[in-house]
Amino acid sequence: RKEVEQDPGPFNVPEGATVAFNCTYSNSASQSFFWYRQDCRKEPKLLMSVYSSGNEDGRFTAQLNRASQYISLLIRDSKLSDSATYLCVVNRGNTPLVFGKGTRLSVIA
Amino acid sequence: DAGVTQSPTHLIKTRGQHVTLRCSPISGHKSVSWYQQVLGQGPQFIFQYYEKEERGRGNFPDRFSARQFPNYSSELNVNALLLGDSALYLCASGGESYEQYFGPGTRLTVT
Repeated sequence: RKEVEQDPGPFNVPEGATVAFNCTYSNSASQSFFWYRQDCRKEPKLLMSVYSSGNEDGRFTAQLNRASQYISLLIRDSKLSDSATYLCVVNRGNTPLVFGKGTRLSVIA
Repeated sequence: DAGVTQSPTHLIKTRGQHVTLRCSPISGHKSVSWYQQVLGQGPQFIFQYYEKEERGRGNFPDRFSARQFPNYSSELNVNALLLGDSALYLCASGGESYEQYFGPGTRLTVT
């Protein structure tokens, strides 16, 4: 079993739609959680860190459920520019990041 | 402030050759990590350095080596290149928080 598992993609949604990505992690010692966005042939860019209380940044909302070892990312009012691969990432303190395979999102006009 | 820089951006090598990739972290960051990303997969951890000391090593063969210099820049070396080493090599810079920021990567093609 992989340490970080994400929804298989791709997700194809119309502009303005709400889309949710789910992620589970297997190591209960994981302490830090992130969502990265990666455009085609580019480097991953940090989208948001995920906190136990949940956090929101504009149209993006991240949730963490430590008991279920589950992380989610909600994107509201999808834009064409949101099209990318979204990577769920965990680590255990100051250790290397562990990435999921990523979920590709295509927002269609 | 400059972000993470990597060089070269692209590289084509033949099997059996060696390659050196370079990375400069964000100013003030003391941690550098290297990742390999093949198509369709998330990045896989290769090495992490902090204050010039190796802090961690991923599941990669001894052909892969790295070091960090006093100015916190880093080099990744790969010897005896194989076709399967073709990938995007990413360098990540880390500061006091657990967040890491990636450079644009070096795309290595081994023919």
